[in-house]
Amino acid sequence: DAGVIQSPRHEVTEMGQEVTLRCKPISGHDYLFWYRQTMMRGLELLIYFNNNVPIDDSGMPEDRFSAKMPNASFSTLKIQPSEPRDSAVYFCASSHRGPEAFFGQGTRLTVV
Amino acid sequence: AQSVTQPDIHITVSEGASLELRCNYSYGATPYLFWYVQSPGQGLQLLLKYFSGDTLVQGIKGFEAEFKRSQSSFNLRKPSVHWSDAAEYFCAVGARGYQKVTFGIGTKLQVIP
Repeated sequence: DAGVIQSPRHEVTEMGQEVTLRCKPISGHDYLFWYRQTMMRGLELLIYFNNNVPIDDSGMPEDRFSAKMPNASFSTLKIQPSEPRDSAVYFCASSHRGPEAFFGQGTRLTVV
Repeated sequence: AQSVTQPDIHITVSEGASLELRCNYSYGATPYLFWYVQSPGQGLQLLLKYFSGDTLVQGIKGFEAEFKRSQSSFNLRKPSVHWSDAAEYFCAVGARGYQKVTFGIGTKLQVIP
Protein backbone atom coordinates (compact mmCIF):
# COMPACT_ATOMS: atom_id res chain seq x y z
CA ASP A 1 0.00 0.00 0.00
CA ALA A 2 1.20 3.51 -0.74
CA GLY A 3 0.32 4.75 2.73
CA VAL A 4 -1.79 7.75 3.56
CA ILE A 5 -1.70 10.22 0.70
CA GLN A 6 -2.27 13.92 1.20
CA SER A 7 -2.52 16.68 -1.34
CA PRO A 8 -1.31 19.24 -1.91
CA ARG A 9 2.00 19.05 -0.04
CA HIS A 10 2.26 22.81 0.09
CA GLU A 11 -0.42 25.44 -0.22
CA VAL A 12 0.00 29.19 -0.17
CA THR A 13 -3.17 31.23 -0.23
CA GLU A 14 -4.36 34.71 0.52
CA MET A 15 -6.38 35.57 3.56
CA GLY A 16 -10.08 35.16 2.90
CA GLN A 17 -9.69 32.45 0.29
CA GLU A 18 -11.12 28.97 0.60
CA VAL A 19 -8.62 26.16 1.13
CA THR A 20 -9.30 22.46 0.63
CA LEU A 21 -6.93 19.79 1.85
CA ARG A 22 -7.32 16.23 0.63
CA CYS A 23 -6.56 12.84 2.07
CA LYS A 24 -6.67 9.27 0.86
CA PRO A 25 -6.40 6.82 3.77
CA ILE A 26 -4.84 3.38 3.68
CA SER A 27 -7.20 0.91 2.09
CA GLY A 28 -9.12 -1.09 4.68
CA HIS A 29 -8.61 1.40 7.49
CA ASP A 30 -11.84 2.39 9.15
CA TYR A 31 -10.64 5.40 11.17
CA LEU A 32 -9.45 8.69 9.73
CA PHE A 33 -7.96 11.57 11.71
CA TRP A 34 -7.15 15.16 10.87
CA TYR A 35 -4.41 16.82 12.94
CA ARG A 36 -2.89 20.28 12.92
CA GLN A 37 0.72 20.90 13.94
CA THR A 38 2.06 24.30 14.98
CA MET A 39 5.10 25.39 16.93
CA MET A 40 2.96 26.95 19.63
CA ARG A 41 0.37 24.21 20.17
CA GLY A 42 2.08 21.09 18.93
CA LEU A 43 -0.04 18.35 17.39
CA GLU A 44 -3.77 18.80 17.87
CA LEU A 45 -6.54 16.45 16.84
CA LEU A 46 -9.15 18.35 14.88
CA ILE A 47 -11.65 15.65 13.98
CA TYR A 48 -11.88 11.94 13.42
CA PHE A 49 -14.17 9.65 11.45
CA ASN A 50 -15.16 6.03 11.87
CA ASN A 51 -16.53 4.29 8.80
CA ASN A 52 -16.94 7.68 7.12
CA VAL A 53 -19.01 9.11 10.00
CA PRO A 54 -17.63 12.03 12.04
CA ILE A 55 -17.28 10.87 15.62
CA ASP A 56 -15.58 13.74 17.41
CA ASP A 57 -15.10 17.22 15.99
CA SER A 58 -14.46 18.94 19.30
CA GLY A 59 -10.99 19.94 18.14
CA MET A 60 -12.19 21.91 15.15
CA PRO A 61 -11.22 25.44 16.06
CA GLU A 62 -14.24 27.28 14.66
CA ASP A 63 -16.99 27.22 12.09
CA ARG A 64 -14.59 28.22 9.36
CA PHE A 65 -13.29 24.65 9.46
CA SER A 66 -15.24 21.74 8.05
CA ALA A 67 -14.37 18.15 7.19
CA LYS A 68 -16.10 15.53 5.12
CA MET A 69 -15.57 11.90 4.26
CA PRO A 70 -17.87 11.02 1.36
CA ASN A 71 -16.45 7.51 1.04
CA ALA A 72 -13.91 5.17 2.60
CA SER A 73 -11.08 6.33 0.36
CA PHE A 74 -11.34 10.10 0.48
CA SER A 75 -11.63 12.94 2.98
CA THR A 76 -11.36 16.70 2.81
CA LEU A 77 -10.64 19.43 5.30
CA LYS A 78 -11.89 22.82 4.22
CA ILE A 79 -11.14 26.24 5.65
CA GLN A 80 -13.39 29.07 4.52
CA PRO A 81 -12.43 31.86 4.83
CA SER A 82 -8.78 31.26 5.64
CA GLU A 83 -6.83 33.47 8.05
CA PRO A 84 -3.08 33.87 8.68
CA ARG A 85 -3.41 32.09 12.05
CA ASP A 86 -4.50 28.96 10.18
CA SER A 87 -0.96 28.60 8.85
CA ALA A 88 0.26 25.20 10.03
CA VAL A 89 1.03 21.70 8.86
CA TYR A 90 -2.11 19.60 8.55
CA PHE A 91 -1.80 15.85 8.84
CA CYS A 92 -4.20 13.15 7.91
CA ALA A 93 -3.83 9.75 9.55
CA SER A 94 -5.71 6.48 9.35
CA SER A 95 -5.98 3.37 11.47
CA HIS A 96 -7.67 0.00 11.56
CA ARG A 97 -9.81 -0.64 14.65
CA GLY A 98 -7.52 1.12 17.04
CA PRO A 99 -5.60 4.25 17.95
CA GLU A 100 -2.37 3.16 16.24
CA ALA A 101 -2.37 5.63 13.39
CA PHE A 102 -0.43 5.87 10.15
CA PHE A 103 0.30 9.43 9.11
CA GLY A 104 0.50 11.09 5.75
CA GLN A 105 3.32 13.45 4.90
CA GLY A 106 1.22 16.49 5.68
CA THR A 107 0.15 19.66 3.92
CA ARG A 108 2.02 22.81 4.82
CA LEU A 109 -0.48 25.65 4.64
CA THR A 110 0.61 29.26 4.53
CA VAL A 111 -2.03 31.97 4.60
CA VAL A 112 -0.70 35.42 3.71
CA ALA B 1 -8.71 13.56 30.21
CA GLN B 2 -5.30 12.17 29.48
CA SER B 3 -2.18 14.28 29.09
CA VAL B 4 1.48 13.70 28.34
CA THR B 5 4.61 15.60 29.26
CA GLN B 6 7.92 15.49 27.48
CA PRO B 7 10.19 17.52 29.74
CA ASP B 8 13.08 17.83 27.30
CA ILE B 9 12.42 20.05 24.30
CA HIS B 10 15.86 19.52 22.80
CA ILE B 11 18.55 16.90 23.42
CA THR B 12 22.01 16.57 21.91
CA VAL B 13 23.92 13.30 21.99
CA SER B 14 27.09 12.06 20.37
CA GLU B 15 26.88 9.38 17.74
CA GLY B 16 27.33 6.01 19.38
CA ALA B 17 26.18 7.21 22.77
CA SER B 18 23.11 5.88 24.51
CA LEU B 19 19.83 7.75 24.46
CA GLU B 20 16.89 8.10 26.79
CA LEU B 21 13.94 10.36 26.04
CA ARG B 22 11.55 10.99 28.87
CA CYS B 23 7.78 10.81 28.79
CA ASN B 24 5.33 11.14 31.65
CA TYR B 25 1.62 10.67 31.23
CA SER B 26 -1.48 11.43 33.23
CA TYR B 27 -4.38 9.03 33.01
CA GLY B 28 -6.53 7.33 35.61
CA ALA B 29 -6.21 3.80 34.31
CA THR B 30 -3.74 1.82 32.23
CA PRO B 31 -3.32 3.77 29.03
CA TYR B 32 -2.27 3.03 25.51
CA LEU B 33 1.20 4.53 24.99
CA PHE B 34 3.06 5.33 21.80
CA TRP B 35 6.30 6.78 20.55
CA TYR B 36 6.40 8.36 17.11
CA VAL B 37 9.30 9.85 15.18
CA GLN B 38 9.11 12.72 12.72
CA SER B 39 11.92 13.54 10.30
CA PRO B 40 12.01 17.04 8.81
CA GLY B 41 9.25 17.58 6.28
CA GLN B 42 7.75 14.18 6.93
CA GLY B 43 4.80 12.72 8.72
CA LEU B 44 4.95 10.83 11.98
CA GLN B 45 6.08 7.22 11.97
CA LEU B 46 5.19 4.82 14.76
CA LEU B 47 8.28 3.52 16.58
CA LEU B 48 6.56 1.35 19.17
CA LYS B 49 3.46 0.99 21.26
CA TYR B 50 2.33 -0.41 24.60
CA PHE B 51 -1.15 -1.79 25.03
CA SER B 52 -0.73 -4.47 27.69
CA GLY B 53 1.53 -7.31 28.81
CA ASP B 54 5.31 -7.05 28.95
CA THR B 55 6.22 -3.58 30.13
CA LEU B 56 9.40 -3.50 28.03
CA VAL B 57 8.46 -3.09 24.41
CA GLN B 58 10.69 -3.31 21.40
CA GLY B 59 10.22 -1.14 18.37
CA ILE B 60 11.70 -0.43 15.02
CA LYS B 61 15.15 1.03 14.38
CA GLY B 62 16.56 -0.50 17.58
CA PHE B 63 14.38 1.52 19.96
CA GLU B 64 12.74 0.23 23.11
CA ALA B 65 10.56 1.74 25.81
CA GLU B 66 9.57 0.71 29.28
CA PHE B 67 6.18 1.31 30.86
CA LYS B 68 6.49 2.09 34.56
CA ARG B 69 3.09 2.41 36.14
CA SER B 70 4.45 3.59 39.51
CA GLN B 71 6.20 6.50 37.83
CA SER B 72 3.59 7.15 35.12
CA SER B 73 6.43 7.03 32.64
CA PHE B 74 7.14 5.54 29.24
CA ASN B 75 10.73 6.47 28.44
CA LEU B 76 12.27 5.72 25.08
CA ARG B 77 15.77 4.26 24.88
CA LYS B 78 18.37 3.29 22.37
CA PRO B 79 21.77 1.84 23.32
CA SER B 80 23.75 3.43 20.48
CA VAL B 81 22.52 6.42 18.50
CA HIS B 82 23.17 6.80 14.79
CA TRP B 83 23.32 10.10 12.92
CA SER B 84 20.14 9.10 11.07
CA ASP B 85 18.24 9.12 14.38
CA ALA B 86 18.28 12.91 14.40
CA ALA B 87 14.59 13.82 14.32
CA GLU B 88 11.75 14.88 16.56
CA TYR B 89 10.22 12.30 18.86
CA PHE B 90 6.67 12.38 20.15
CA CYS B 91 5.20 10.46 23.03
CA ALA B 92 1.45 9.92 22.94
CA VAL B 93 -1.19 8.54 25.27
CA GLY B 94 -4.60 7.13 24.52
CA ALA B 95 -7.50 5.93 26.61
CA ARG B 96 -8.67 2.35 26.28
CA GLY B 97 -11.82 2.07 24.23
CA TYR B 98 -11.32 5.43 22.59
CA GLN B 99 -9.57 6.44 19.43
CA LYS B 100 -8.36 9.85 20.57
CA VAL B 101 -4.66 10.10 21.23
CA THR B 102 -2.98 13.03 22.96
CA PHE B 103 0.52 13.92 21.84
CA GLY B 104 3.33 15.49 23.79
CA ILE B 105 5.06 18.61 22.59
CA GLY B 106 7.96 16.59 21.19
CA THR B 107 11.68 16.24 21.85
CA LYS B 108 14.07 17.29 19.13
CA LEU B 109 17.13 15.06 18.98
CA GLN B 110 20.40 16.33 17.57
CA VAL B 111 23.21 13.85 16.95
CA ILE B 112 26.77 15.15 16.77
CA PRO B 113 29.74 13.28 15.29
